[in-house]
Amino acid sequence: QITLKESGPALVKPTQTLTLTCAFSGFSLNTTGVGVGWIRQPPGKALEWLALIYWDDDKRYSPSLRSRLTITKDTSKNQVLLTMTNVDPLDTATYYCAHRHATGPVYDYWGQGALVTVSS
Amino acid sequence: SYELTQSPSVSVSPGQTAVITCSGDALPKKYACWFQQKSGQAPVLVIYDDSVRPSGIPERFSASSSGTVATLTISGAQVEDEADYYCYSTDSSGHERVFGGGTKLTVL
Repeated sequence: QITLKESGPALVKPTQTLTLTCAFSGFSLNTTGVGVGWIRQPPGKALEWLALIYWDDDKRYSPSLRSRLTITKDTSKNQVLLTMTNVDPLDTATYYCAHRHATGPVYDYWGQGALVTVSS
Repeated sequence: SYELTQSPSVSVSPGQTAVITCSGDALPKKYACWFQQKSGQAPVLVIYDDSVRPSGIPERFSASSSGTVATLTISGAQVEDEADYYCYSTDSSGHERVFGGGTKLTVL
């Protein structure tokens, strides 16, 4: 059974760095073809794809946020981390992590989401 | 930047067929997938690789892609299908991954 769970601060101040953790079980990021992505959703708005890391450490980023994002994995802990620098109130959103395959089912398992508010 | 365009809303009566479209220049070359998101919940994958339904998704959900338009069809829509639906795909290079703006499906 695949599960994912996001964690991180509920409130961060503008200009600070946000670090979110995705803890997962039921699969391994050492398995060929497996990846974990991050997606966010501002309140009342659409989903926005942020970043993706694959089993082979291949990383992809949203072009508009590339300069502010870093995605890493810790396969020994079954975790994926997303770091976002210089946060702004516009980064207020629910942040989701999700499991995917390199081919076939895309984001077939999602975490419950973590709401992050950026405010002074 | 690459964009996928969806109509903001679709409304049908129970039992009718709901059709939701997604347009994007790279869709002739890239697969689309579809997600259902009910209020307050995480998205659920309902279609991948243009038309493949994951296990557990009801048969009334089907999809296709032709030219620059991907289409999600819900045949005999039910009240529980009321949700936001998002398409997802990549640009022609495969580097930029995007969601559409979402379509709110109302079934009443």
